[in-house]
Amino acid sequence: GENVEQHPSTLSVQEGDSAVIKCTYSDSASNYFPWYKQELGKRPQLIIDIRSNVGEKKDQRIAVTLNKTAKHFSLHITETQPEDSAVYFCAAGIGNQFYFGTGTSLTVIP
Amino acid sequence: NAGVTQTPKFQVLKTGQSMTLQCAQDMNHNSMYWYRQDPGMGLRLIYYSASEGTTDKGEVPNGYNVSRLNKREFSLRLESAAPSQTSVYFCASKRPGREGVAEQFFGPGTRLTVL
Repeated sequence: GENVEQHPSTLSVQEGDSAVIKCTYSDSASNYFPWYKQELGKRPQLIIDIRSNVGEKKDQRIAVTLNKTAKHFSLHITETQPEDSAVYFCAAGIGNQFYFGTGTSLTVIP
Repeated sequence: NAGVTQTPKFQVLKTGQSMTLQCAQDMNHNSMYWYRQDPGMGLRLIYYSASEGTTDKGEVPNGYNVSRLNKREFSLRLESAAPSQTSVYFCASKRPGREGVAEQFFGPGTRLTVL
């Protein structure tokens, strides 16, 4: 089955700096790559996603890049704010199944 | 729309007890999922149902059973709870998409403790 690895597991940045989280996947058939944000005690919520036929997607301060050849994708958050502090999960989707990374705990220091 | 709802929110069981976690969605989605979330492990798929009347095993199905009661409801049953099943359980649903690509929507979760 698919194997998704996510790094780093924890990340601390100063407010206003950028944060980058990286994921790799193993199955070249994966065609959908969502990123979820989960605040403490809450449900995961989609923040951005990218399909396999697109290399980059941006939504305000958040961007995702995908390198299909290398089988890796990354989340970029610019101008970080304290409210960006949360756990972020990447996932790789194949048809009806989704495989999640182990999460990155992001702390934005005011 | 309520989206995806789950009951109960919290549950404490003793080893060997059984229980059913309930999930319902009002978005007319075909696919539904049960995940467990453990510290440092991310979300792991227990079972999923691609459509009404079908269910399939995910990564960690042992010790669980599911029922897709109708298009709206997908329940998860623990027949004989074990401490290793202490976790937070999330239900999710997904609409059909081109080549299966579509967003998952998650319920609020059930925090289960097995003593």
